[in-house]
Amino acid sequence: AQKITQTQPGMFVQEKEAVTLDCTYDTSDPSYGLFWYKQPSSGEMIFLIYQGSYDQQNATEGRYSLNFQKARKSANLVISASQLGDSAMYFCAMREGLGPNTDKLIFGTGTRLQVFP
Amino acid sequence: DAGITQSPRHKVTETGTPVTLRCHQTENHRYMYWYRQDPGHGLRLIHYSYGVKDTDKGEVSDGYSVSRSKTEDFLLTLESATSSQTSVYFCAISGQGGQETQYFGPGTRLLVL
Repeated sequence: AQKITQTQPGMFVQEKEAVTLDCTYDTSDPSYGLFWYKQPSSGEMIFLIYQGSYDQQNATEGRYSLNFQKARKSANLVISASQLGDSAMYFCAMREGLGPNTDKLIFGTGTRLQVFP
Repeated sequence: DAGITQSPRHKVTETGTPVTLRCHQTENHRYMYWYRQDPGHGLRLIHYSYGVKDTDKGEVSDGYSVSRSKTEDFLLTLESATSSQTSVYFCAISGQGGQETQYFGPGTRLLVL
């Protein structure tokens, strides 16, 4: 079964508007972490934001926030005030468990965001 | 930016030849990882290391081996490259595992003809 699901292959948003990129996950482990990475056309993977399963508040990093709904197993990325430079692929990833040998990321298939003027 | 470099950045090789990709970090991080990225699959873990000489398999380890003789270097070897190993390979590092974020290198684009 797919553990990370990103159902939006592509999204369009107008500059200065907000956009939500969806991510649902599946795990039976009570301890996990959720990440979002950005991959621009140049190819590098850029870490954006992290949410731990025990965190009480939704994570925020500048214009990025994570809408974490634990009961629904969703961790959507919200980008406020979109900029042309936000055009990229966005990947949701999950880390399961804690401990010295269980730090592995499972990635979704990504959402391509295009910001237009 | 995390100090992670990968070499080579691009490589074209022929089926059946051995290939070694190198990941070098200057952060003294304990954990290092190799992923491959293919269209429609996101990134998938090949192998990882949790210390010098300590490695383990990921979900797509067949056809790959790794070695880590120093903290700063993690090598990925394709013993006999196949066309199915054409991909973009990313190295990542993290500090203590657990809740540490993984930071990625710039990637290596490998084409196996």
